[in-house]
Amino acid sequence: TQLLEQSPQFLSIQEGENLTVYCNSSSVFSSLQWYRQEPGEGPVLLVTVVTGGEVKKLKRLTFQFGDARKDSSLHITAAQPGDTGLYLCAGASYTGTASKLTFGTGTRLQVTL
Amino acid sequence: EPEVTQTPSHQVTQMGQEVILRCVPISNHLYFYWYRQILGQKVEFLVSFYNNEISEKSEIFDDQFSVERPDGSNFTLKIRSTKLEDSAMYFCASKQGFSNTEAFFGQGTRLTVV
Repeated sequence: TQLLEQSPQFLSIQEGENLTVYCNSSSVFSSLQWYRQEPGEGPVLLVTVVTGGEVKKLKRLTFQFGDARKDSSLHITAAQPGDTGLYLCAGASYTGTASKLTFGTGTRLQVTL
Repeated sequence: EPEVTQTPSHQVTQMGQEVILRCVPISNHLYFYWYRQILGQKVEFLVSFYNNEISEKSEIFDDQFSVERPDGSNFTLKIRSTKLEDSAMYFCASKQGFSNTEAFFGQGTRLTVV
């Protein structure tokens, strides 16, 4: 069974602070995706990382895929209240014609003024 | 922008009743999925569907569950005899290609079994 553990589970910070969310697994994934989920809505994709060691930037968000493709991190610089939400990592795996996402446990971020 | 749409947004049903959750994937997508999220828990894979057949299903997806693509647009999840523990948000997702392509998720159907 593939598992993805995220840490921390909850994070409450003030506007302007930096933060890092970690996503760790004992399994290797073909790619890893980060989603953001608002209450009562479906996950919305932020980024996909594919290559071990890959770094992708999306404005103030920096995503990194571990060299062994088992872990990833999300770093937010100068957090804003609009960053508040649930952040999910998800590992993609493929078997024959089947593919699926294994989601992490989630990190709930609250950014206050 | 194309999106995955799910209906209804909220369904309340009595234990033992059958429910059908409906999804309209993005029109040129070929791979379809159902996931569920029990309140306060992580999103869990239920089933993947390609070329009019199930390609993979999880342990959760037992004989009470079935999926169907009855026409060219709809993708449905049926729960034959609902249990209290089936209460969850159910998300439909679709992808255009097989590997490393974005999965688009619908807004979800909140199923409440009473």
